[in-house]
Amino acid sequence: EPEVTQTPSHQVTQMGQEVILRCVPISNHLYFYWYRQILGQKVEFLVSFYNNEISEKSEIFDDQFSVERPDGSNFTLKIRSTKLEDSAMYFCASVRAVGNTEAFFGQGTRLTVV
Amino acid sequence: QKEVEQDPGPLSVPEGAIVSLNCTYSNSAFQYFMWYRQYSRKGPELLMYTYSSGNKEDGRFTAQVDKSSKYISLFIRDSQPSDSATYLCGITGGGNKLTFGTGTQLKVEL
Repeated sequence: EPEVTQTPSHQVTQMGQEVILRCVPISNHLYFYWYRQILGQKVEFLVSFYNNEISEKSEIFDDQFSVERPDGSNFTLKIRSTKLEDSAMYFCASVRAVGNTEAFFGQGTRLTVV
Repeated sequence: QKEVEQDPGPLSVPEGAIVSLNCTYSNSAFQYFMWYRQYSRKGPELLMYTYSSGNKEDGRFTAQVDKSSKYISLFIRDSQPSDSATYLCGITGGGNKLTFGTGTQLKVEL
């Protein structure tokens, strides 16, 4: 069964460092998302991406964040200068098509900023 | 008022019980309703997806939507210990961005 894969599963980084979280969405899907879940809190939307551009972003997704689809398979989230409060689980999700809102999530990357 | 409200639990039931999980929402523009199961430190796994008011059944799971009351439910019949997880409702207005509830933590005991 096709699935969304994320790497790494756990990333530890020092405050102020840049991190790149990687995702491979399901191959025939067209919409891609990043969500964040701080420990003990709800899953929050960060950004959606379609046709090689951001279609929507939340207030959380400030200038420190960027997304990219560098090739036909990968979808990345970059945090330029990490802060302690960026520590969270980051989930990538993909959706097949417009109006098809069944979103499939990856297993997540646990980011720990020290 | 929060966009999506969900009782965080924890909810503890004996094996074989019928479980009822619920969410309320405030935005009338929400049209698509999903239930996800999340095990500890894992990604949300899609269980059920519904669009219209009414019931949708899949095995032991039934999703129910009442758009007039802005109320959605997930029923689990014959609950098993393996159903122990956090259940998230995720709602969208069609733009595909999901708004989640806080999740209800369920424990099914032997």
